[in-house]
Amino acid sequence: EPEVTQTPSHQVTQMGQEVILRCVPISNHLYFYWYRQILGQKVEFLVSFYNNEISEKSEIFDDQFSVERPDGSNFTLKIRSTKLEDSAMYFCASRPGQGYGYTFGSGTRLTVV
Amino acid sequence: AQSVAQPEDQVNVAEGNPLTVKCTYSVSGNPYLFWYVQYPNRGLQFLLKYITGDNLVKGSYGFEAEFNKSQTSFHLKKPSALVSDSALYFCAVSRRGSGAGSYQLTFGKGTKLSVIP
Repeated sequence: EPEVTQTPSHQVTQMGQEVILRCVPISNHLYFYWYRQILGQKVEFLVSFYNNEISEKSEIFDDQFSVERPDGSNFTLKIRSTKLEDSAMYFCASRPGQGYGYTFGSGTRLTVV
Repeated sequence: AQSVAQPEDQVNVAEGNPLTVKCTYSVSGNPYLFWYVQYPNRGLQFLLKYITGDNLVKGSYGFEAEFNKSQTSFHLKKPSALVSDSALYFCAVSRRGSGAGSYQLTFGKGTKLSVIP
């Protein structure tokens, strides 16, 4: 069964550093998403991406965040200058053009120290 | 704005007993509703969804959920709980639109299910 792959599974970074979280969505999917889950809290929408541009973003997704699909297979989330409160599990998801079958990756646990 | 409420932080049930995990939602228009399960240190696994049609939806691992439009609920059920069902369960809603769109999911805060042997 096709999977959404996220790397790394766990990343530790110092406050103020830039991090890039990587995702390989399912190959024939058209919509791509990032969600995050702060420990013990609910899963929150960050951003959706379609046709090489952001289609929706939440208030969380401020200027420190950016997304990119650089080569037609990878989908990345960049945090320019990490803060302690960015520590969370980040989930990538993708969806085909028709239907509502979201597939989530297994997540990247980001720890900012 | 859309929202999901999971009123119970934790549900405890004895193995072999039926289980129910509650979910109510608020969304403008007709909803798309989902249940996901998360095991410790793992990602979100899809269980089932309601898009249209029969109000009783059957999903993975023997789970089912009933869509109740008048009560705006989508409770998750299983006739006989297993110890391996112990996990964190998330209900989610997405707004239905007329065309292709991003259809972001809004999640509830999750309910921890503990099945006691």
